Amino acid sequence: KAGVTQTPRYLIKTRGQQVTLSCSPISGHRSVSWYQQTPGQGLQFLFEYFSETQRNKGNFPGRFSGRQFSNSRSEMNVSTLELGDSALYLCASSLDGTSETQYFGPGTRLLVL
Amino acid sequence: DQQVKQNSPSLSVQEGRISILNCDYTNSMFDYFLWYKKYPAEGPTFLISISSIKDKNEDGRFTVFLNKSAKHLSLHIVPSQPGDSAVYFCAASALNYGGSQGNLIFGKGTKLSVKP
Repeated sequence: KAGVTQTPRYLIKTRGQQVTLSCSPISGHRSVSWYQQTPGQGLQFLFEYFSETQRNKGNFPGRFSGRQFSNSRSEMNVSTLELGDSALYLCASSLDGTSETQYFGPGTRLLVL
Repeated sequence: DQQVKQNSPSLSVQEGRISILNCDYTNSMFDYFLWYKKYPAEGPTFLISISSIKDKNEDGRFTVFLNKSAKHLSLHIVPSQPGDSAVYFCAASALNYGGSQGNLIFGKGTKLSVKP
């Protein structure tokens, strides 16, 4: 079974721009979670989607949003980028998000200049 | 306030010896715990998990111990190999409590170096 895939792997943007990251979960997995990893804060939960609905949200500003499609693929959008948004963005999938281990993709490294 | 703490940022072990990585948590509602291994520029790789109804889970060279009364868990790697050198993250979840779907709370990680 193919693992979680994320595109693009690397991205450079400038302040004020917006960015969209994509995640394809493991086949059969319906829950997708997004995390931000920075050196200072570690891995922090952004939000979780299941059946095209956001079920849970972390403590991030409204500039961070996401969506999930009927095939369980998910996108994450960050608008009005700030320098502090530079991070590794990780996507993880699980069967239903409540009882199963999460499996992570390789991440998208975002650099905001 | 950190709910999951890994107090040792780094650990160095000789090849063939035991590596013990520790993790403490504060939230008594956590009922599922996981360990992940992470190499630079890659996503975390799942290693092993344990439910709060157990106190030990073993998978090959990896064993996780859970002490609920102390709110402490540890990962033992025996024997340690140079390829085990990576950052290890402890994570916790409150699976049986509403509002926690898909949300793993991570520690800051411990960098393990296994020397040949």
